[in-house]
Amino acid sequence: KAGVTQTPRYLIKTRGQQVTLSCSPISGHRSVSWYQQTPGQGLQFLFEYFSETQRNKGNFPGRFSGRQFSNSRSEMNVSTLELGDSALYLCASSLGNGYSGNTIYFGEGSWLTVV
Amino acid sequence: AQRVTQPEKLLSVFKGAPVELKCNYSYSGSPELFWYVQYSRQRLQLLLRHISRESIKGFTADLNKGETSFHLKKPFAQEEDSAMYYCALSRYNNNDMRFGAGTRLTVKP
Repeated sequence: KAGVTQTPRYLIKTRGQQVTLSCSPISGHRSVSWYQQTPGQGLQFLFEYFSETQRNKGNFPGRFSGRQFSNSRSEMNVSTLELGDSALYLCASSLGNGYSGNTIYFGEGSWLTVV
Repeated sequence: AQRVTQPEKLLSVFKGAPVELKCNYSYSGSPELFWYVQYSRQRLQLLLRHISRESIKGFTADLNKGETSFHLKKPFAQEEDSAMYYCALSRYNNNDMRFGAGTRLTVKP
């Protein structure tokens, strides 16, 4: 079956703008998580959505937000972009039914450059 | 708070030599520990998880709660093992995965 799909793969934005990234999970997966990856900070957990509700949240400012739709597809939004937001944004999906042994599958990521 | 530490950013071994990638964690509750691997130009993927107690591609990892460690080991490294390895922790019954900084393993011929 198709893997986790993220769009767009690459984008360039200007400081102060906002951006929306999209993630389509593996069919049947109800949990979608978002991560930010940078050379300096590594992989950092942003938030997780399950059945359209944010279930877990990392330590990011309110400029970072997300949502999940009824078909489990998810979007994340970053408002008032800063240079430091330049990163690879990874989406991951899993069954999310509460059994922590569920495997999390990652997408290829969206490369965001803020200039 | 959950925290994962991988003390080695880079690790280089010769083919056939044993390899150990270190991972230490801090979490007061019941953690779930994982190792993820990212090969060149591929997406991040699960290598193994402690609850499965399995060996994948010759790699094993044992959760040591006393030392709060989850080191990844392989007795005989292969060149195709060269990759970035991430140790990760999530709270029991949660999907909020916290990753270590990663260790880049290079296996030389």
